[in-house]
Amino acid sequence: RKEVEQDPGPFNVPEGATVAFNCTYSNSASQSFFWYRQDCRKEPKLLMSVYSSGNEDGRFTAQLNRASQYISLLIRDSKLSDSATYLCVVNRGNYGQNFVFGPGTRLSVLP
Amino acid sequence: DAMVIQNPRYQVTQFGKPVTLSCSQTLNHNVMYWYQQKSSQAPKLLFHYYDKDFNNEADTPDNFQSRRPNTSFCFLDIRSPGLGDAAMYLCATSSGKNIQYFGAGTRLSVL
Repeated sequence: RKEVEQDPGPFNVPEGATVAFNCTYSNSASQSFFWYRQDCRKEPKLLMSVYSSGNEDGRFTAQLNRASQYISLLIRDSKLSDSATYLCVVNRGNYGQNFVFGPGTRLSVLP
Repeated sequence: DAMVIQNPRYQVTQFGKPVTLSCSQTLNHNVMYWYQQKSSQAPKLLFHYYDKDFNNEADTPDNFQSRRPNTSFCFLDIRSPGLGDAAMYLCATSSGKNIQYFGAGTRLSVL
């Protein structure tokens, strides 16, 4: 079993749809959590950090459930420009060096 | 302005011919990472430096080496590239447990 797992995808949704991505992690000592997006043939870019209380940034909402070791990302009113691969990233280290990437979920928003 | 700079963006080498990829940062972060990313896969951590301390992942082949002569620069040396080493190589930096900042990557082709 991989340490960080995500919905296999791909997700193909129409513009304006709401889409949710799920991520689970196996290491209960994991300390910080992130969602990155990666466009085709580009580097990953931080979308948002994920906090226990949940956090929102415009159309994006992230949730963390430490008890269930589960992270989610909700995208509302999806845009064509949201098409990308979404990577769940978990930091399991005490000193900040142990970032583990999930396999990613590809999203295509269709006109 | 780019804060993590990778050179070159594209590198073509011959089978078995040593190659060096370069990464520099203006963030003064103490941690620098090298990842390998193959098509449709998540970035895979090869190694990282915490200041001058080198940390190799257990499954990183001996063919891959790294140098960090100072805080700003880090190099990835591939001693004898094979066809299977063709990939995108991503450099990232972080300050402790905080988010990672990625360079644009170097796409390596092996002929």
